[in-house]
Amino acid sequence: QSALTQPPSVSGSPGQSVTISCTGTSSDVGSNSRVSWYRQPPGTAPKLMMYDVTYRPSGVPARFSGSKSGNTASLTISGLQAEDEADYYCSSYSSSNTHVFGTGTKVTVL
Amino acid sequence: QMHLQESGPGLVRPSETLSLTCTVSGVSMSRIPYYWGWIRQSPGKGLEWIGNIFYTGSTNYNPSLKDRVTISVETSKNQFSLRLDSVTAADSAVYYCARRSGDYYHFSDWGQGTLVTVSS
Repeated sequence: QSALTQPPSVSGSPGQSVTISCTGTSSDVGSNSRVSWYRQPPGTAPKLMMYDVTYRPSGVPARFSGSKSGNTASLTISGLQAEDEADYYCSSYSSSNTHVFGTGTKVTVL
Repeated sequence: QMHLQESGPGLVRPSETLSLTCTVSGVSMSRIPYYWGWIRQSPGKGLEWIGNIFYTGSTNYNPSLKDRVTISVETSKNQFSLRLDSVTAADSAVYYCARRSGDYYHFSDWGQGTLVTVSS
């Protein structure tokens, strides 16, 4: 299985919106709604930010939203804040009962 | 509050076996239908799923690692373990243990991670 494809980096000014894409195949992202997103500040463990494409865990701000179309999922951060600066990874459950992660995206707040 | 903590050697010789344990606190592993997983991250690289074990003992592994990986669970000790055989420098990474609820397909809780270096 190949890693899901994410842009290496995205950036935005405070208050702006940024969107991170996550492209897979019809065997993973395109086959179900089991896409999740994780935030990882430097030197720390990943933290769940979104699951089942559009659901936010308790404590995650509403300015984080998710969507999916075909083989591509997306995470949008609205009202960008300095604390959002981190690496973000998508993940999908696949039709072969395995998990696959994305290549990761570094979000920079200008 | 669930807590996961990885433990094991920080240095492994090439061709030998990497063994790590994840100790879980705050929940009884034998009572609740959770999946327990291992994920690794090579220095400066992305996350790579290694495999999961269900509380019943059934496993799923990353196809690229399945010939070298064994994940086991010892519910009496509230621990699960990772064994990776015939390691090379490419297996050097931070290894995370994590929890996935039985009805969901994401990892809700993670350990802090432990760095394993493969070197002679």
